[in-house]
Amino acid sequence: AQTVTQSQPEMSVQEAETVTLSCTYDTSESDYYLFWYKQPPSRQMILVIRQEAYKQQNATENRFSVNFQKAAKSFSLKISDSQLGDAAMYFCAYRSPVSYEKLTFGTGTRLTIIP
Amino acid sequence: KAGVTQTPRYLIKTRGQQVTLSCSPISGHRSVSWYQQTPGQGLQFLFEYFSETQRNKGNFPGRFSGRQFSNSRSEMNVSTLELGDSALYLCASGQGGGYTFGSGTRLTVV
Repeated sequence: AQTVTQSQPEMSVQEAETVTLSCTYDTSESDYYLFWYKQPPSRQMILVIRQEAYKQQNATENRFSVNFQKAAKSFSLKISDSQLGDAAMYFCAYRSPVSYEKLTFGTGTRLTIIP
Repeated sequence: KAGVTQTPRYLIKTRGQQVTLSCSPISGHRSVSWYQQTPGQGLQFLFEYFSETQRNKGNFPGRFSGRQFSNSRSEMNVSTLELGDSALYLCASGQGGGYTFGSGTRLTVV
């Protein structure tokens, strides 16, 4: 079974600075999806960014980008120009091509933005 | 377009009772997945339905069940509630790598 590990329970960053959240995963599959989701206090999980394993190019969405290292099974999220609204729990998730729509989540990283 | 709607938002039940939670997916989405979120266990997959069929099931006891209707709306049911069932229950709709979550139902078992 696949596992997803987020080794940083908490992170903090000064407003306008850059922060990187770590995620590693364990799988024997070659094709899969990886996600970063954000969960603010409102509880709703919001998709931040998605990466398909067969694409070597790192995904980017405005201030959010990933560093996808397939061989190392690493999928870190970089947030540039951090804003107060970025404060939330961030979850890394894995989707196997053979498990339909099941997502396997990491334990999350709580990100605090310091004004 | 409307998002994923979960009802109710909050629920308080007594141990031993049963509960039914509802999830209406985004229009056109045929897949609905359910997750349980607790401080201790994190986010755990419960089950996934597609076109009224359960395609995948997580490692939960038989007290947890679900179904999906022809309009893609899904319900999950927990019977004989235990204190440990207190959690945020999230549903997600979508398939093929793009998922939208609802705001969840906060269930408290007392």
